[in-house]
Amino acid sequence: NAGVTQTPKFQVLKTGQSMTLQCAQDMNHNSMYWYRQDPGMGLRLIYYSASEGTTDKGEVPNGYNVSRLNKREFSLRLESAAPSQTSVYFCASSESWVGSFQSSYEQYFGPGTRLTVT
Amino acid sequence: KNQVEQSPQSLIILEGKNCTLQCNYTVSPFSNLRWYKQDTGRGPVSLTIMTFSENTKSNGRYTATLDADTKQSSLHITASQLSDSASYICVVSPSGGYNKLIFGAGTRLAVHP
Repeated sequence: NAGVTQTPKFQVLKTGQSMTLQCAQDMNHNSMYWYRQDPGMGLRLIYYSASEGTTDKGEVPNGYNVSRLNKREFSLRLESAAPSQTSVYFCASSESWVGSFQSSYEQYFGPGTRLTVT
Repeated sequence: KNQVEQSPQSLIILEGKNCTLQCNYTVSPFSNLRWYKQDTGRGPVSLTIMTFSENTKSNGRYTATLDADTKQSSLHITASQLSDSASYICVVSPSGGYNKLIFGAGTRLAVHP
């Protein structure tokens, strides 16, 4: 039982290049999330998928796209990387959407991808 | 604007000592408040989740308290260990309508021998 896995662990891109961050979970969770974490700031939600087949924008979606490939996998794509996207990216999952009323679902995080855009 | 502010930003304590981390929030109304531990280079791991009606919850040497009237929470760590060195993040979930978790910037704790 690996929990939430992310690939790659590290990536360096040049401005304008594209890439896809992969995330998979083996806990049969319905909801999955992508966050970014910048120094001195709290994690910010980029996109989420409350259930298989649905995706929605979070707080900072500009410059990103997502695909919920199946119940296990949720990918994040940067179409044209910019230096402002240098960050650590975390994927997370939960049994159901943590934003639902009085939800106390545990959210499980992957190990992160450290992305540098030069 | 809904905010979650944590203090102190960083803290150094000696192994075996106790410490208390603070979280003040302006999110209202809210559904629940969470504390996470994040080791360097790793993802956050949940320590406690408290609903608005709970005022204390423990997880081993970690005890979280919540005062919904003053909109304050604290995380108390008892008999600290070197492995407690990490960032501790307070997260509040608003209730009603479109919801997302609002993360504080964290308190970085260093436990020295």
